[in-house]
Amino acid sequence: SAVISQKPSRDICQRGTSLTIQCQVDSQVTMMFWYRQQPGQSLTLIATANQGSEATYESGFVIDKFPISRPNLTFSTLTVSNLSPEDSSIYLCSVGVGYNYGYTFGSGTRLTVV
Amino acid sequence: AQTVTQSQPEMSVQEAETVTLSCTYDTSESNYYLFWYKQPPSRQMILVIRQEAYKQQNATENRFSVNFQKAAKSFSLKISDSQLGDTAMYFCAFDGGGSNYKLTFGKGTLLTVNP
Repeated sequence: SAVISQKPSRDICQRGTSLTIQCQVDSQVTMMFWYRQQPGQSLTLIATANQGSEATYESGFVIDKFPISRPNLTFSTLTVSNLSPEDSSIYLCSVGVGYNYGYTFGSGTRLTVV
Repeated sequence: AQTVTQSQPEMSVQEAETVTLSCTYDTSESNYYLFWYKQPPSRQMILVIRQEAYKQQNATENRFSVNFQKAAKSFSLKISDSQLGDTAMYFCAFDGGGSNYKLTFGKGTLLTVNP
């Protein structure tokens, strides 16, 4: 299965600033997924990123707040903009393993906004 | 929209014993995929087991097995011979496949294995 390198593993940011999270996959994948995991909660899908097209955002998530880039089939970034303490969460990227054989996840980015 | 419900926020089991985690889901799809993921304190999401809805046979992976009841929309995980390393958050997840190729997670069950 694919191996994902996600950076940074953690960061502490000032409110009002932005954080960009990177995910690098060791093989080409069509779709990449970005999730948010709020403290003590489950994972919620933010958006699906296809190479060469605009990301598809889930209800409650907007591009201005969570812009995503997908410049090629092995890389994607998620930016969390205009940070507030409510954005303090773990953010994870994920890719599919074949067709519905499961999904592989990055190791997550723990964001703390102060 | 699909929903996944895990009714047990926390469970505990003694080492070497067996424990079953519950999961129910709601969907109008006829062909879909179900997963159990494990998230230890390291926060790495690890795929435990996978079930295809069109297969009647329950999936098994070593000490992990599922009881898949399609009509009841139930997908429980049984862990046999529990080990201390099984201590983690367990998430049940649904993938509708096709145009709904994405995961919907339950709220999770925190499993603690006691020595």
